[in-house]
Amino acid sequence: LAKTTQPISMDSYEGQEVNITCSHNNIATNDYITWYQQFPSQGPRFIIQGYKTKVTNEVASLFIPADRKSSTLSLPRVSLSDTAVYYCLGGYQKVTFGTGTKLQVIP
Amino acid sequence: DTAVSQTPKYLVTQMGNDKSIKCEQNLGHDTMYWYKQDSKKFLKIMFSYNNKELIINETVPNRFSPKSPDKAHLNLHINSLELGDSAVYFCASSQVLGDAEAFFGQGTRLTVV
Repeated sequence: LAKTTQPISMDSYEGQEVNITCSHNNIATNDYITWYQQFPSQGPRFIIQGYKTKVTNEVASLFIPADRKSSTLSLPRVSLSDTAVYYCLGGYQKVTFGTGTKLQVIP
Repeated sequence: DTAVSQTPKYLVTQMGNDKSIKCEQNLGHDTMYWYKQDSKKFLKIMFSYNNKELIINETVPNRFSPKSPDKAHLNLHINSLELGDSAVYFCASSQVLGDAEAFFGQGTRLTVV
């Protein structure tokens, strides 16, 4: 299973683009990278998934370089409601979410 | 209509007691999970079931016993509760095993005193 490493916390002002990078050096050939968001007192919520290059949906973009040893979740123009913990997962079994990155959006 | 619902939302109980947490999903998914989130917010899988069959059983004390009466339900029974069992327990489901997108319940905050 791919072990992931993310920054513990990040701060950003409202309206800015936020990039959260996750490293997954031992990701397997057939592993996808998945990102989840968790608000306080709620269960995690799926944001986006990718295998390589770039994936975009209505919420975020996910950039994965050719070597796939890292990925970057990009949140465009964050608002206060984007304050949450963001988890990066490698592999498909969703075995462990790690500690995630706590994003604090500042007015 | 809540997709994944678990009850109760809060549970306070004494050490040594036995308790159950119920989970139901109305999404028609094949796979259901139980996760434990401790005080440091580390979220780890405990069990996963696919079509009522146990697929993943992580290193969890055998005081924890999941039961899946049908595809839509996965209950968690805990015997002889200990202080270290205090945590938030999340139930989740996904359409099939290996599906990236899982839907989580609101969580059950268990406090053992």
